[in-house]
Amino acid sequence: DTGVSQDPRHKITKRGQNVTFRCDPISEHNRLYWYRQTLGQGPEFLTYFQNEAQLEKSRLLSDRFSAERPKGSFSTLEIQRTEQGDSAMYLCASSLSISSNPIEQFFGPGTRLTVL
Amino acid sequence: DAKTTQPPSMDCAEGRAANLPCNHSTISGNEYVYWYRQIHSQGPQYIIHGLKNNETNEMASLIITEDRKSSTLILPHATLRDTAVYYCIVSDHGQNFVFGPGTRLSVLP
Repeated sequence: DTGVSQDPRHKITKRGQNVTFRCDPISEHNRLYWYRQTLGQGPEFLTYFQNEAQLEKSRLLSDRFSAERPKGSFSTLEIQRTEQGDSAMYLCASSLSISSNPIEQFFGPGTRLTVL
Repeated sequence: DAKTTQPPSMDCAEGRAANLPCNHSTISGNEYVYWYRQIHSQGPQYIIHGLKNNETNEMASLIITEDRKSSTLILPHATLRDTAVYYCIVSDHGQNFVFGPGTRLSVLP
């Protein structure tokens, strides 16, 4: 089964360093989402792509964050100049959107970031 | 802010039905009710969704009130592996889910 995969699963970095996470969605899913989850909270939406187009960004996505999905397949999320407050689980999800039908999102296992 | 409210925690005896309530009094006509669960340190897992009719799949049943202002997720025979945080979400077409803190379900032996 080729579900949503994320790499790496864990990342420890020092404050001020840049980090990049990768998400591989379910094949042929045209939508890809990024969420952030801190301890004890539900996931918070960051951004989503329809194919290669980034259609929405949350105000949580500061200018230190950038996401790409260059060929409409995998996506990367980069955090520049990491801060301790960036420590969280970063979740990726994908879905197949067809017309106006309701769609469920399928989540990956997440990348846990720890900023020291 | 999440458009749903759920109790923060619930207990259920193993083998019994777990009934998880969700209030969504401001739901609009084109919004669906989705349920996900998250087992510790894993990504959320889709359970079920519905618009106005009751729905059932191999995992659970979803009962939506006639006025659509609340719903109940039913796990008919809870097992220890059903211990998780359960999230109720309302969304049109499944975009940009807004998760609340969910209900932490503990299934007790």
